[in-house]
Amino acid sequence: EAQVTQNPRYLITVTGKKLTVTCSQNMNHEYMSWYRQDPGLGLRQIYYSMNVEVTDKGDVPEGYKVSRKEKRNFPLILESPSPNQTSLYFCASSPRFRQGSRPDVSSYNEQFFGPGTRLTVL
Amino acid sequence: KNEVEQSPQNLTAQEGEFITINCSYSVGISALHWLQQHPGGGIVSLFMLSSGKKKHGRLIATINIQEKHSSLHITASHPRDSAVYICAVSRTQGAQKLVFGQGTRLTINP
Repeated sequence: EAQVTQNPRYLITVTGKKLTVTCSQNMNHEYMSWYRQDPGLGLRQIYYSMNVEVTDKGDVPEGYKVSRKEKRNFPLILESPSPNQTSLYFCASSPRFRQGSRPDVSSYNEQFFGPGTRLTVL
Repeated sequence: KNEVEQSPQNLTAQEGEFITINCSYSVGISALHWLQQHPGGGIVSLFMLSSGKKKHGRLIATINIQEKHSSLHITASHPRDSAVYICAVSRTQGAQKLVFGQGTRLTINP
């Protein structure tokens, strides 16, 4: 089954204790992203990756790190979590944009989301 | 002012009604996405479009590039359509940097 998996799904931790949220996709997608979702602020992009070893900052990268050593995995690292990083986190993947693709093919560049990780930092 | 604005923020309707959710954006874009977030939290991509109109079942998405506006329509709405609908735009062709609207919470009553 084509899917994006995240672990853990729920995590309660304390300020300053390093943690990693894993993200893995089995669709051989080039693109992967991390988002956080907060009440009143909606979804915001943290980091994204266009391919292995290629990552770039989204709108809210402060306090986060990512790596893309393999195509299927895109872990999110919080070196020193703080309470303002309490949030719902989503990982997503999508296939690479291909010039000349049929415009009626709705699955091209479609985003596939993981189930989310609810993080609480005390 | 947010780069992506959705309206309405909340919408309640009766089963069977025709639903329209609007998305306006203020920057040049290469593509616009419509997403659905279920009450349980999961997010599903409904459409990605850069021009014209797309249809999938009872869902129709349209975009007007000149007016910087997109609409998501649901025909013959059903309680299972109750969800938050989110509009997002990507500015550069093929780019993965997305900017999101605040979402529209839709409730369909039986």
